[in-house]
This record gives sequence, C-alpha cells and structure tokens, in this order.
Amino acid sequence: EVQLVQSGAEVKKPGESLKISCEAFGYSFTNSWIGWVRQMPGKGLEWMGIIYPDDSDTRYSPSFQGHVTISADKSTNTASVQWNSLKASDTATYFCARRGGSLNFFDSWGRGTLVTVSS
Amino acid sequence: SYEVTQPPSVSVSPGQTARINCSGDALPKKYTYWYQQKPGQAPLLVIYKDTERPSGIPERFFGSSSGTTVTLTISGVQAEDEADYYCQSTDTTGSYWVFGGGTKLTVL
Repeated sequence: EVQLVQSGAEVKKPGESLKISCEAFGYSFTNSWIGWVRQMPGKGLEWMGIIYPDDSDTRYSPSFQGHVTISADKSTNTASVQWNSLKASDTATYFCARRGGSLNFFDSWGRGTLVTVSS
Repeated sequence: SYEVTQPPSVSVSPGQTARINCSGDALPKKYTYWYQQKPGQAPLLVIYKDTERPSGIPERFFGSSSGTTVTLTISGVQAEDEADYYCQSTDTTGSYWVFGGGTKLTVL
C-alpha cells in the first residue's frame, strides 16, 4: 500500500527558515515523480512543483519558482520543500502527492502539513 | 501562466444531477483530472484522463469532454457528495500542472 507520511505541523516567525518532509512507503520512491500542493486557509489547491527522485529533475510552478526549494533524498525515501525566509503569506497546508505513473495527475496524497507563520 | 476555470459553487437537491464545468484553452489537447476534497482531508481522485473512473469511485461520477470544456457530472447526488471539487490539467507542454479554483458542491 502506497503511503506518504508528512512531517508535523509547524509554527514559525516571519524570516525564519523551514523544511517540511514527506516519507514514501510501499512503492519504488526513485521511479515516481512526487509533487507538492499548497492550500491556503479556506482557499483552493495550488500546484507548487514536482521532482523525480532518481535524478532530482525538478519543475516549479512560476508562482513558486525562487520562493521554495523542492528536494528528494533517495537514501531515506523522503521528499522535502524548503523555505529560506518565511512570510506570513506562506501560512497554508502543504500536501505531498505521488504522480500517477506516466500521466499528469496525483494518485496518492499525504495528509498535509500545516505551516503557520506569525509574529 | 496557464489557467483553468471552474464555477465557485453549484447547488443541487439530493437525487438530482450536478454538473461542474472546467474550461481551458489546452483542454482539447491535455487530459483533465477531477479531485474531491472534503473538509480536513486530502484530495481524492474521482476521474482521470477526462472520462475514466478509478476503482472504488461510485458509478454516479461521470466525466466528459467537449472542446475547451470538460465536465464532471454526478448523477443521483447524495449528501456524502457535498465537497469541494477541483479540476486539474497541464499546459500544452505538459511540464506545468494547474488546478482550477475549485467548486463547492452543496447538497440542499
């Protein structure tokens, strides 16, 4: 059974850095793209980007390029997204999700990580 | 950047048919996928490749496509279908994915 286990909720101050993670179980981590989706409070889903863990090929949404860094560690079957300097507007739930084979959709999702940025 | 557009809300009575449209210039060339999201939960895929239904999704969920518009139809809507529904596709290159803004389905 495919499982994506995300790290726990975070409370940070503006300007702080943060890395949240998503550990994959039940499939070959290196051979499936894994992506990140943001959901701001009460708002819709936003595609942030996607990474292929085998070679770390990464695609970013233009809206997130330069603001976050998506990475993957093959040794721990873990994907991550990192911020160097958080803003209040980064407050959101962040989902990781696995791409469904060769098609451009997500077939398995993590439960989400709530990130709260507040002074 | 590329966008796909959905109505913000749709309301139907139990047993009626709900239709949610999603529009985008690249939709004739790229597949569309539909997700259901209930409060506090991760999204769940209900339609893939425009018209296909994953195993475990009730037959009342139906996807169709015509030109630049794709439609999620839910026949015989039940109270448990009340949720937010998102269409998702890609730009013409396939490299950049996009979600619609979401449609809140209310079962009256």
